[in-house]
Amino acid sequence: NAGVTQTPKFQVLKTGQSMTLQCAQDMNHNSMYWYRQDPGMGLRLIYYSASEGTTDKGEVPNGYNVSRLNKREFSLRLESAAPSQTSVYFCASSPGTGTGELFFGEGSRLTVL
Amino acid sequence: GNSVTQMEGPVTLSEEAFLTINCTYTATGYPSLFWYVQYPGEGLQLLLKATKADDKGSNKGFEATYRKETTSFHLEKGSVQVSDSAVYFCALSLPGNTPLVFGKGTRLSVIA
Repeated sequence: NAGVTQTPKFQVLKTGQSMTLQCAQDMNHNSMYWYRQDPGMGLRLIYYSASEGTTDKGEVPNGYNVSRLNKREFSLRLESAAPSQTSVYFCASSPGTGTGELFFGEGSRLTVL
Repeated sequence: GNSVTQMEGPVTLSEEAFLTINCTYTATGYPSLFWYVQYPGEGLQLLLKATKADDKGSNKGFEATYRKETTSFHLEKGSVQVSDSAVYFCALSLPGNTPLVFGKGTRLSVIA
């Protein structure tokens, strides 16, 4: 009963390096999301995909790109990492964007030096 | 715009104390309201929800009532336990293709 699986769980990068965070869900959900969580800032939406084949910007999209590879998978890419992107990243999925019931992965802790 | 405001933490309580975490919202339209909980080292999980005015959501001893007249959805528990130590997020959802809107979270620490 995997739910939402994120990889990697931990990553350390140097400024300017690139990386991709992977996310997969096995619940046949239509919508998927990427959030970042920073102390005192709560959760901020980076990008979301309401359905397969669509992606939309959230509150803090700058410096990130996403790909909805298929219904199961939604990846987040940092092309040129910056220290300001040090954060914990969460992937989530839901049956649809208006339902409100999100299922979250365990998070990926990224440090950019 | 649509937003959620929660009381700032951290909140520290002794075991068996009464808990209230305040949440108010601003929304265009008629939102559904949610409380999510994040235990240490984990992702968020849904705790309870209410989809219309005067509905009460409840789970694991926690309750919250959707008050349209005060635009509030306060979380309460009569007797907290150490295992309730977590971060609690209030959130709203509107119909259509708009993502969930979260508050900033309230950290609760319960001490024995």
